[in-house]
Amino acid sequence: DAKTTQPTSMDCAEGRAANLPCNHSTISGNEYVYWYRQIHSQGPQYIIHGLKNNETNEMASLIITEDRKSSTLILPHATLRDTAVYYCIVRSGGTSGTYKYIFGTGTRLKVLA
Amino acid sequence: NAGVTQTPKFQVLKTGQSMTLQCAQDMNHNSMYWYRQDPGMGLRLIYYSASEGTTDKGEVPNGYNVSRLNKREFSLRLESAAPSQTSVYFCASSNPEYLGTEEAFFGQGTRLTVV
Repeated sequence: DAKTTQPTSMDCAEGRAANLPCNHSTISGNEYVYWYRQIHSQGPQYIIHGLKNNETNEMASLIITEDRKSSTLILPHATLRDTAVYYCIVRSGGTSGTYKYIFGTGTRLKVLA
Repeated sequence: NAGVTQTPKFQVLKTGQSMTLQCAQDMNHNSMYWYRQDPGMGLRLIYYSASEGTTDKGEVPNGYNVSRLNKREFSLRLESAAPSQTSVYFCASSNPEYLGTEEAFFGQGTRLTVV
């Protein structure tokens, strides 16, 4: 399973874009990049995922480099409610179902008023 | 739609006691997972089940057993609790891509203290 490396913490001003980097240099061709966040001690919440192409949904955008060795999660207009720990996860794909989500230590994002 | 439901939400055990954490999902997912999260740390995978009737070890399986009772339910058992097992336990479920649901859904956690 590919490992991920994220900065321990980041600050972002409210209303500005938050850019959270993730390094996954050992990622394999069939492994997806997933992002989750955890607010306080609640269960992790899904944000977005991708394989090769950049992805966007109502919560965030995911930019994956061409060599797929790193990615960036972008929260376009951060609010105080986005203060959380953000996890970048590499999950193996395939149809067998025997994949697993391996969490790293995450990035603690603090949105400042 | 309840999603992933864990019981109990809180539990205090004495060292050596046993207990079973229950998890049920109502999304007809094939795969289910158990994680633990120690204070200030990320989640670590204990066991997972790719489908009914199958289970596999994750990163930290020692001291735990699991049962995939049916498609809905996946239980985690501590046979002889130790203080090192004090943690928050999360259950999750998901489906592989070909079944159309790609992300894992998590329960709200069980906070276990072993004294």
